[in-house]
Amino acid sequence: GAGVSQSPSNKVTEKGKDVELRCDPISGHTALYWYRQSLGQGLEFLIYFQGNSAPDKSGLPSDRFSAERTGGSVSTLTIQRTQQEDSAVYLCASSSWAGRTDTQYFGPGTRLTVL
Amino acid sequence: AQSVTQLGSHVSVSEGALVLLRCNYSSSVPPYLFWYVQYPNQGLQLLLKYTTGATLVKGINGFEAEFKKSETSFHLTKPSAHMSDAAEYFCAVNSNTGKLIFGQGTTLQVKP
Repeated sequence: GAGVSQSPSNKVTEKGKDVELRCDPISGHTALYWYRQSLGQGLEFLIYFQGNSAPDKSGLPSDRFSAERTGGSVSTLTIQRTQQEDSAVYLCASSSWAGRTDTQYFGPGTRLTVL
Repeated sequence: AQSVTQLGSHVSVSEGALVLLRCNYSSSVPPYLFWYVQYPNQGLQLLLKYTTGATLVKGINGFEAEFKKSETSFHLTKPSAHMSDAAEYFCAVNSNTGKLIFGQGTTLQVKP
């Protein structure tokens, strides 16, 4: 079946521009996660959504970062006024529920380069 | 709080040799542990996970890991390395809120 998909696969932008990254989770998965992978910081949690509950935003690095999930499915991560330190691979994952033992399935990621 | 430490950012083995990738964790709650593999320009793929029960966990591609509570370890092994095993490997612990906390990763090089 279809896995987690992300778009675009690559994004190059200029410092100060806004960007939107999209994630399509596996159909039926209620939990959706965003992580960031960078050389200096490794893999970091950003935000997660579980059903209709308020999202856990505890990993967002600044108020320039925001995310939404529409209709309990597709999610968009928005970075406003991008900075060079935002350059990273942004990974999305989904799982069938947000229990601690559940497997998170990852998408291929969006590589963001801020010039 | 939870944390994960992977000893060795780079490991090099010869094809056919034993693979041993080390992972130690810290957790204030019973840990649920995962190993993921990442091939170049791809997302993360689950190799195996430990939740409860048997402490020796078998995963895909011939990998296995043993949960040792006394040593707070969850090392990943494979008896015989294959060229296709070259990738980056991440150990992770699931926090009590569901998010994964990853180690820094270990790049495995397999030499012919």
